[in-house]
Amino acid sequence: SQTIHQWPATLVQPVGSPLSLECTVEGTSNPNLYWYRQAAGRGLQLLFYSVGIGQISSEVPQNLSASRPQDRQFILSSKKLLLSDSGFYLCAWWRRQGTDTQYFGPGTRLTVL
Amino acid sequence: GESVGLHLPTLSVQEGDNSIINCAYSNSASDYFIWYKQESGKGPQFIIDIRSNMDKRQGQRVTVLLNKTVKHLSLQIAATQPGDSAVYFCAEAPRDGQNFVFGPGTRLSVLP
Repeated sequence: SQTIHQWPATLVQPVGSPLSLECTVEGTSNPNLYWYRQAAGRGLQLLFYSVGIGQISSEVPQNLSASRPQDRQFILSSKKLLLSDSGFYLCAWWRRQGTDTQYFGPGTRLTVL
Repeated sequence: GESVGLHLPTLSVQEGDNSIINCAYSNSASDYFIWYKQESGKGPQFIIDIRSNMDKRQGQRVTVLLNKTVKHLSLQIAATQPGDSAVYFCAEAPRDGQNFVFGPGTRLSVLP
């Protein structure tokens, strides 16, 4: 069966510090991978998605970046965090030719102080 | 697009009653739809899905209805329980797209 991992689960960082969130998927190959952000009490905002290694599409211009160094690994980064980067970050995967359902990871709660 | 900046609408129901959560989708080319349940502090969990060649699909205590004419999706929960309290999101997938588009979400509150 497929599983998706995210770490860390929670993170408190000062403004201006760097960020690296990691997402890995097990039990599937060549998935589409996604990063979403969710502010408290709000909906899901798509940040980045990737259809393959090294292929990143950005949906929202911001000070975040994403990378996909391996087929089942997706990384969200920032060189300098802003207060507005606080939120709940969710990674998801999807194989249109497979299950068709998009599955989410457990999320990372980021607080920027 | 995504209504990420809006506060979530809330639906309050009595325990044991049926719940109906509605969603309007935007793209007539969407051919696959999902309902997710998100509990506080957790990632969204799959509840039920439906393809555009169907207009109804039933699961355990849940039913999804699809009206393509008016681009409307609904989730019905029978005999709502306290554990059903959560935020519910609908999502649509365009036939040739790589992304899901999510609705703004509805908070379901089950009253004792």
